[in-house]
Formats: sequence, C-alpha cells, structure tokens
Amino acid sequence: RKEVEQDPGPFNVPEGATVAFNCTYSNSASQSFFWYRQDCRKEPKLLMSVYSSGNEDGRFTAQLNRASQYISLLIRDSKLSDSATYLCVVNIGFNAGNNRKLIWGLGTSLAVNP
Amino acid sequence: GAGVSQSPRYKVAKRGQDVALRCDPISGHVSLFWYQQALGQGPEFLTYFQNEAQLDKSGLPSDRFFAERPEGSVSTLKIQRTQQEDSAVYLCASSLSRLGQGHGYTFGSGTRLTVV
Repeated sequence: RKEVEQDPGPFNVPEGATVAFNCTYSNSASQSFFWYRQDCRKEPKLLMSVYSSGNEDGRFTAQLNRASQYISLLIRDSKLSDSATYLCVVNIGFNAGNNRKLIWGLGTSLAVNP
Repeated sequence: GAGVSQSPRYKVAKRGQDVALRCDPISGHVSLFWYQQALGQGPEFLTYFQNEAQLDKSGLPSDRFFAERPEGSVSTLKIQRTQQEDSAVYLCASSLSRLGQGHGYTFGSGTRLTVV
C-alpha cells in the first residue's frame, strides 16, 4: 500500500458543481497535512493546511479524520479556474531525520467544464 | 525576493554533461528543499538544508547528484554525467520555519531538465 493514496481521476464536473477529493495515508504518526494545487507544467502551490478541527477558506473546505486516516478537500461552486491537479501531502514528525517523510500523493486531476 | 526563483527555466543537456541548477529562496527562509518531479508523478524529495547545513540528503538518487547552500541562501543542485533518467522537473522549495512545519512550502517554478 502506498503511503499516501489519491484517486487520480480525472474528475470532470460542470461549473457550479461541488466536488470532493479524498486522500488516505498509512502512517498513523503523520502530524501535518496539506493540500497543494498544481497547474499543468507549473510548480505546486499551497492551497490549504489541514487542521484537526477542519478549516475553510472561501469555497474550499479541508477536513482531517485521524481515526480513519484520511483527509478530504471539498470545493463548492466550482469555477473553470479550479481546473488543476490537487496534491495531498503528509508530513510525518518534526525531527530532522523525518524531514524526508514529506510524502506526496500522485494528485487528483480536476477539469471544470463550462 | 517575493518568491522562490529558479534558473534556468529549461535545460537541455547531452548525456554525460554536467549541469548546475540554481535556487534563490525567499529571503529569510530557513529551510530549503530540492525535489524531483517526473511527468505524472508527485514531487520526490531529494535533499534538505536548514540554513547552510545539509541535514538530509537521503533522497539524492546517486553520487552524481550534489547540492550545496554555502551561505544559507542561494542553493545549487549539481548533476554530474547526466543520464536520460535524470530528465525531470527539479523543484526548489523554501519555508520560513525549520522543517516547514505548519507553514507549508513555497515552490519555485522549477527547472525542466531534458537529457538527450
């Protein structure tokens, strides 16, 4: 089993739709979680950190379920500009030796259609 | 600067050639990371600097790869005797905090290396 798994998609949704992505992780010691967005041939950009209490930023909501070891990203009222690949990132621990354990999922591709 | 700057943006190297990739992180960022991203994959960790100290180089795929950050700011990733499998996008990221905890990372635009 991969350490971080995402459904690669692609997700094709119409404008205005609500879409949700899940990401599962295997290491229960994982301590911090992020969603990154990557446009085609561009660098990843931080979208949101994911907190235990859940967090919302405009149309985006991120949630963490430690018991089931998954994080989710919900996009409401999707826009054409939301079309991108969404990468789930998990960081295990804060010790120097664990720094390499910033594990990236392969990404979920989203296409929002007019 | 306002963001992480990488150069060159594109590099085509003949197999066996040495290349040097530059990363200029955000001013004041303590942590600097190099990642390798192949087409359709997520970034793979290469190495990590905290200021000028290279604390983790466990992700470097072979001894042909070498990275330095001598003054704790600009970093250079050097690849000697390039091979075709080295073709990828090389991403540099920096973070304000040690180990990037809680702050995430800011990435540069990457250097797309093609070895022919």
